[in-house]
Amino acid sequence: DTEVTQTPKHLVMGMTNKKSLKCEQHMGHRAMYWYKQKAKKPPELMFVYSYEKLSINESVPSRFSPECPNSSLLNLHLHALQPEDSALYLCASSSLVSHNEQFFGPGTRLTVL
Amino acid sequence: EDQVTQSPEALRLQEGESSSLNCSYTVSGLRGLFWYRQDPGKGPEFLFTLYSAGEEKEKERLKATLTKKESFLHITAPKPEDSATYLCAVRTAGGTSYGKLTFGQGTILTVHP
Repeated sequence: DTEVTQTPKHLVMGMTNKKSLKCEQHMGHRAMYWYKQKAKKPPELMFVYSYEKLSINESVPSRFSPECPNSSLLNLHLHALQPEDSALYLCASSSLVSHNEQFFGPGTRLTVL
Repeated sequence: EDQVTQSPEALRLQEGESSSLNCSYTVSGLRGLFWYRQDPGKGPEFLFTLYSAGEEKEKERLKATLTKKESFLHITAPKPEDSATYLCAVRTAGGTSYGKLTFGQGTILTVHP
Protein backbone atom coordinates (compact mmCIF):
# COMPACT_ATOMS: atom_id res chain seq x y z
CA ASP A 1 0.00 0.00 0.00
CA THR A 2 1.68 3.22 -1.16
CA GLU A 3 -1.22 5.51 -0.44
CA VAL A 4 -1.56 8.58 1.70
CA THR A 5 -5.16 9.55 2.36
CA GLN A 6 -6.49 12.94 3.38
CA THR A 7 -9.88 14.09 4.60
CA PRO A 8 -11.85 16.09 3.84
CA LYS A 9 -11.23 16.71 0.13
CA HIS A 10 -12.76 20.15 0.34
CA LEU A 11 -13.36 22.45 3.30
CA VAL A 12 -15.00 25.85 3.49
CA MET A 13 -14.74 27.68 6.78
CA GLY A 14 -15.30 31.10 8.26
CA MET A 15 -12.59 33.04 10.00
CA THR A 16 -14.03 32.20 13.43
CA ASN A 17 -14.40 28.48 12.85
CA LYS A 18 -12.29 25.66 14.21
CA LYS A 19 -11.69 22.72 11.91
CA SER A 20 -9.20 19.90 11.45
CA LEU A 21 -7.53 18.25 8.49
CA LYS A 22 -6.64 14.58 8.72
CA CYS A 23 -3.97 12.48 7.06
CA GLU A 24 -3.31 8.75 7.26
CA GLN A 25 -0.68 6.41 5.88
CA HIS A 26 -0.06 2.70 6.35
CA MET A 27 3.36 2.40 4.75
CA GLY A 28 5.20 2.26 8.06
CA HIS A 29 6.76 5.65 7.42
CA ARG A 30 8.03 7.46 10.49
CA ALA A 31 8.28 10.93 8.94
CA MET A 32 5.17 12.90 8.05
CA TYR A 33 4.84 16.35 6.56
CA TRP A 34 2.34 19.16 6.05
CA TYR A 35 2.70 21.38 3.00
CA LYS A 36 0.72 24.38 1.78
CA GLN A 37 0.36 24.97 -1.94
CA LYS A 38 -1.04 28.10 -3.56
CA ALA A 39 -2.19 28.11 -7.16
CA LYS A 40 0.60 27.80 -9.72
CA LYS A 41 3.24 27.59 -6.97
CA PRO A 42 5.24 24.64 -5.64
CA PRO A 43 4.42 23.10 -2.26
CA GLU A 44 5.77 24.98 0.76
CA LEU A 45 6.82 22.99 3.79
CA MET A 46 4.95 23.81 7.02
CA PHE A 47 5.75 21.06 9.52
CA VAL A 48 7.74 17.83 9.78
CA TYR A 49 7.13 15.07 12.30
CA SER A 50 9.79 12.45 12.91
CA TYR A 51 8.91 9.51 15.17
CA GLU A 52 5.72 11.33 16.12
CA LYS A 53 7.65 14.34 17.40
CA LEU A 54 7.61 17.76 15.80
CA SER A 55 11.00 18.23 14.14
CA ILE A 56 10.49 21.25 11.92
CA ASN A 57 8.12 24.20 12.15
CA GLU A 58 8.76 26.53 9.24
CA SER A 59 7.68 29.64 11.18
CA VAL A 60 4.04 28.82 10.62
CA PRO A 61 1.48 31.07 12.39
CA SER A 62 -0.01 29.62 15.56
CA ARG A 63 -3.47 29.48 14.00
CA PHE A 64 -2.16 26.25 12.44
CA SER A 65 -1.59 23.56 15.05
CA PRO A 66 -0.24 20.15 14.00
CA GLU A 67 -0.71 16.93 15.91
CA CYS A 68 0.64 13.43 15.39
CA PRO A 69 -1.40 11.03 17.56
CA ASN A 70 0.42 7.93 16.33
CA SER A 71 2.76 6.77 13.59
CA SER A 72 -0.03 6.50 11.00
CA LEU A 73 -2.00 9.68 11.64
CA LEU A 74 -1.31 13.36 11.24
CA ASN A 75 -3.75 16.16 11.95
CA LEU A 76 -3.70 19.87 11.27
CA HIS A 77 -5.96 21.91 13.52
CA LEU A 78 -7.16 25.21 12.13
CA HIS A 79 -8.44 28.17 14.12
CA ALA A 80 -9.09 31.81 13.28
CA LEU A 81 -7.76 31.52 9.76
CA GLN A 82 -7.49 34.35 7.28
CA PRO A 83 -8.71 34.38 3.67
CA GLU A 84 -5.08 34.30 2.51
CA ASP A 85 -4.79 30.86 4.14
CA SER A 86 -6.98 29.46 1.38
CA ALA A 87 -4.86 26.88 -0.44
CA LEU A 88 -4.35 23.19 -1.14
CA TYR A 89 -3.00 21.51 2.00
CA LEU A 90 -0.90 18.46 1.29
CA CYS A 91 0.22 15.71 3.59
CA ALA A 92 3.23 13.54 2.77
CA SER A 93 5.15 10.72 4.38
CA SER A 94 8.55 9.13 3.94
CA SER A 95 10.78 6.47 5.35
CA LEU A 96 13.64 7.47 7.62
CA VAL A 97 15.89 4.61 6.60
CA SER A 98 15.74 4.44 2.82
CA HIS A 99 15.87 7.03 0.12
CA ASN A 100 13.36 9.36 1.72
CA GLU A 101 11.08 9.67 -1.25
CA GLN A 102 8.08 11.59 -0.04
CA PHE A 103 4.68 10.26 -1.01
CA PHE A 104 1.92 12.83 -1.11
CA GLY A 105 -1.76 12.58 -0.42
CA PRO A 106 -4.41 14.08 -2.71
CA GLY A 107 -4.71 17.21 -0.59
CA THR A 108 -7.50 19.18 1.07
CA ARG A 109 -8.74 22.23 -0.81
CA LEU A 110 -9.35 24.83 1.91
CA THR A 111 -11.36 28.01 1.36
CA VAL A 112 -11.54 30.59 4.14
CA LEU A 113 -14.37 33.06 3.81
CA GLU B 1 21.10 29.17 -0.15
CA ASP B 2 19.83 26.13 -2.03
CA GLN B 3 18.19 26.97 -5.33
CA VAL B 4 16.27 24.91 -7.86
CA THR B 5 15.30 26.38 -11.24
CA GLN B 6 13.09 24.65 -13.77
CA SER B 7 12.76 25.55 -17.42
CA PRO B 8 10.78 26.19 -19.42
CA GLU B 9 7.91 27.47 -17.29
CA ALA B 10 5.46 26.08 -19.82
CA LEU B 11 5.85 23.72 -22.75
CA ARG B 12 3.33 22.89 -25.42
CA LEU B 13 3.90 19.83 -27.57
CA GLN B 14 2.04 17.99 -30.27
CA GLU B 15 1.30 14.37 -29.55
CA GLY B 16 4.38 12.34 -30.48
CA GLU B 17 6.74 15.34 -30.34
CA SER B 18 9.57 14.41 -27.97
CA SER B 19 11.20 17.03 -25.76
CA SER B 20 13.01 17.62 -22.47
CA LEU B 21 12.39 19.53 -19.26
CA ASN B 22 15.31 20.98 -17.34
CA CYS B 23 15.99 21.28 -13.61
CA SER B 24 19.17 23.08 -12.60
CA TYR B 25 20.24 23.23 -8.99
CA THR B 26 22.69 24.94 -6.70
CA VAL B 27 22.86 23.12 -3.41
CA SER B 28 25.34 22.35 -0.68
CA GLY B 29 25.48 18.59 -0.57
CA LEU B 30 22.89 16.89 -2.75
CA ARG B 31 21.14 13.99 -1.04
CA GLY B 32 18.74 13.22 -3.84
CA LEU B 33 16.86 14.81 -6.71
CA PHE B 34 13.20 13.93 -7.13
CA TRP B 35 10.78 14.33 -10.00
CA TYR B 36 7.05 14.55 -9.38
CA ARG B 37 4.04 14.89 -11.63
CA GLN B 38 1.10 16.96 -10.44
CA ASP B 39 -2.35 17.12 -11.99
CA PRO B 40 -4.53 20.18 -11.25
CA GLY B 41 -6.02 20.10 -7.76
CA LYS B 42 -4.24 16.89 -6.80
CA GLY B 43 -1.17 15.95 -4.81
CA PRO B 44 2.21 15.42 -6.48
CA GLU B 45 2.79 11.90 -7.76
CA PHE B 46 6.28 10.53 -7.22
CA LEU B 47 8.12 9.63 -10.43
CA PHE B 48 11.88 9.25 -9.91
CA THR B 49 14.75 9.60 -7.48
CA LEU B 50 18.29 10.29 -8.71
CA TYR B 51 21.33 10.35 -6.47
CA SER B 52 24.55 10.55 -8.41
CA ALA B 53 25.78 12.14 -11.63
CA GLY B 54 25.33 9.82 -14.58
CA GLU B 55 22.34 8.06 -13.08
CA GLU B 56 19.31 7.45 -15.30
CA LYS B 57 15.80 6.18 -14.53
CA GLU B 58 13.01 5.28 -16.95
CA LYS B 59 9.28 4.79 -16.67
CA GLU B 60 7.12 4.36 -19.75
CA ARG B 61 7.66 7.47 -21.90
CA LEU B 62 9.71 9.29 -19.26
CA LYS B 63 13.44 9.18 -18.68
CA ALA B 64 15.25 11.18 -16.00
CA THR B 65 18.97 11.91 -16.05
CA LEU B 66 21.30 13.66 -13.62
CA THR B 67 24.54 15.62 -13.94
CA LYS B 68 26.42 17.54 -11.26
CA LYS B 69 24.47 20.70 -12.00
CA GLU B 70 21.17 19.69 -13.56
CA SER B 71 18.63 17.03 -14.30
CA PHE B 72 16.60 16.43 -17.42
CA LEU B 73 13.23 14.78 -17.78
CA HIS B 74 12.98 13.46 -21.32
CA ILE B 75 9.53 12.74 -22.70
CA THR B 76 9.43 10.45 -25.71
CA ALA B 77 6.42 10.47 -28.01
CA PRO B 78 4.17 12.15 -25.44
CA LYS B 79 0.43 11.62 -25.28
CA PRO B 80 -2.27 14.05 -24.12
CA GLU B 81 -2.50 12.19 -20.81
CA ASP B 82 1.09 13.26 -20.07
CA SER B 83 -0.19 16.82 -19.69
CA ALA B 84 0.54 17.95 -16.12
CA THR B 85 2.88 20.09 -14.06
CA TYR B 86 6.26 18.43 -13.53
CA LEU B 87 8.03 19.37 -10.32
CA CYS B 88 11.69 18.89 -9.51
CA ALA B 89 12.86 18.86 -5.88
CA VAL B 90 16.19 18.37 -4.16
CA ARG B 91 17.03 17.09 -0.72
CA THR B 92 20.19 18.47 0.76
CA ALA B 93 22.50 17.45 3.54
CA GLY B 94 21.21 18.99 6.72
CA GLY B 95 22.02 16.61 9.46
CA THR B 96 18.57 15.11 9.50
CA SER B 97 17.44 11.67 8.49
CA TYR B 98 14.28 12.94 6.87
CA GLY B 99 13.93 14.89 3.67
CA LYS B 100 13.50 18.61 3.64
CA LEU B 101 12.79 19.26 -0.01
CA THR B 102 13.45 22.40 -1.99
CA PHE B 103 11.10 22.53 -4.98
CA GLY B 104 11.48 24.24 -8.32
CA GLN B 105 8.61 26.29 -9.71
CA GLY B 106 7.54 23.51 -12.03
CA THR B 107 7.04 23.12 -15.77
CA ILE B 108 3.49 23.05 -17.08
CA LEU B 109 3.38 20.54 -19.92
CA THR B 110 0.49 20.52 -22.38
CA VAL B 111 0.33 17.84 -25.06
CA HIS B 112 -2.12 18.49 -27.88
CA PRO B 113 -3.67 15.60 -29.83
